[in-house]
Amino acid sequence: EVKLVESGGGLVQPGRSLKLSCAASGFSFNDYWMGWVRQAPGKGLEWIGEINQDSSTINYTPSLKDKFTISRDNAQNTLYLQMSKLGSEDTAIYYCAREVSYIYVGYFDYWGQGVMVTVSS
Amino acid sequence: DIQMTQSPASLSASLGETVTIECRASEDIYNGLAWYQQKPGKSPQLLIYNANSLHTGVPSRFSGSGSGTQYSLKINSLQSEDVASYFCQQYYDYPYTFGAGTKLELK
Repeated sequence: EVKLVESGGGLVQPGRSLKLSCAASGFSFNDYWMGWVRQAPGKGLEWIGEINQDSSTINYTPSLKDKFTISRDNAQNTLYLQMSKLGSEDTAIYYCAREVSYIYVGYFDYWGQGVMVTVSS
Repeated sequence: DIQMTQSPASLSASLGETVTIECRASEDIYNGLAWYQQKPGKSPQLLIYNANSLHTGVPSRFSGSGSGTQYSLKINSLQSEDVASYFCQQYYDYPYTFGAGTKLELK
């Protein structure tokens, strides 16, 4: 069974940093692209970015490229999202997701349960 | 960025009814479209990919169609467990973008 479990969320002050983790199990982690998607309270979904199997290709949505960093540790079957200079607009549920990715294709076939990040003083 | 315009924003339907949700892309996305279902308090779940391919385990009452800039998700014989929000996502071009969602309720 594919399982993705996010952790590391919580309350953080504006301007601070936070690092989320996503522990993967039930599939061969190093065979898949992985991605992050967020959802502000009561709002829709926003793609944050993706990383390929060996971390040689990482793509971000342009508005978050200078704030967020995606990485992975294949030995630990873990995906990461390093977030910096956080503002209230970053308050959201953050989901990691397994991605089916090849040329002109990039959809998410399994999602974690999500982790809440609240940015507030 | 490719804009995804989803309609309607909300929808009320009766059990057994057929419902259709539309997604229009701001440019041709060549069937690079997925549909997700998100039940209240849960994470999104993949329903359809490549515009019309059913994801493993998804009931056959769900179907996707369309081409170019116009796509739709159809739910035949609506069941109570289909109450959820539905989102489309284009992945033809970066950045990937989602529709604003359709909230489906029972009448």
